[in-house]
Amino acid sequence: DVKVTQSSRYLVKRTGEKVFLECVQDMDHENMFWYRQDPGLGLRLIYFSYDVKMKEKGDIPEGYSVSREKKERFSLILESASTNQTSMYLCASSQLVGQYNSPLHFGNGTRLTVT
Amino acid sequence: ILNVEQSPQSLHVQEGDSTNFTCSFPSSNFYALHWYRWETAKSPEALFVMTLNGDEKKKGRISATLNTKEGYSYLYIKGSQPEDSATYLCASGATNKLIFGTGTLLAVQP
Repeated sequence: DVKVTQSSRYLVKRTGEKVFLECVQDMDHENMFWYRQDPGLGLRLIYFSYDVKMKEKGDIPEGYSVSREKKERFSLILESASTNQTSMYLCASSQLVGQYNSPLHFGNGTRLTVT
Repeated sequence: ILNVEQSPQSLHVQEGDSTNFTCSFPSSNFYALHWYRWETAKSPEALFVMTLNGDEKKKGRISATLNTKEGYSYLYIKGSQPEDSATYLCASGATNKLIFGTGTLLAVQP
């Protein structure tokens, strides 16, 4: 079974702090994704990556950056956390076989609160 | 940007009832349709990925159909059980994007 592990389940940070959300997958998947989930909205894509050192902006990249130095690890960085970044963050991975023909495997999520 | 809509937003049924939800998506540039189950305090779990018009998939008591020409998919649960209580998400892929709907929250009362 694919395991996608997010480093923190709950996180509380102050406005202006730099925040790192880590995600590791153990199935050698090429694709990795970061989503955020807010009440009343569907999962929204922040950034994704098809390969090591490769990244692409999703629908809401503003205020975020990512790092993929190793295939199994995809980090989401909030350069200067703001209260509107309070949200549930979900990491996912999938195989590259036809980009969206293969299912996403999600982590348990990190609930980030920025005060 | 694609608009993927799910209905109803929420549903309360009794144990043993059968139920179904709808996912609507733009039919142009269609690539794939995903269904996920998201239980509280767990990670979303993939149920089905469908790509062809007329696709029907089944997993135990849960099944799904796909109509790409008219842009909708149905998810059916036969004989709902309390453990089916979850949010059911659909997502439609077109070109290089997978767009999620807001989900249907199902509560099954014992």
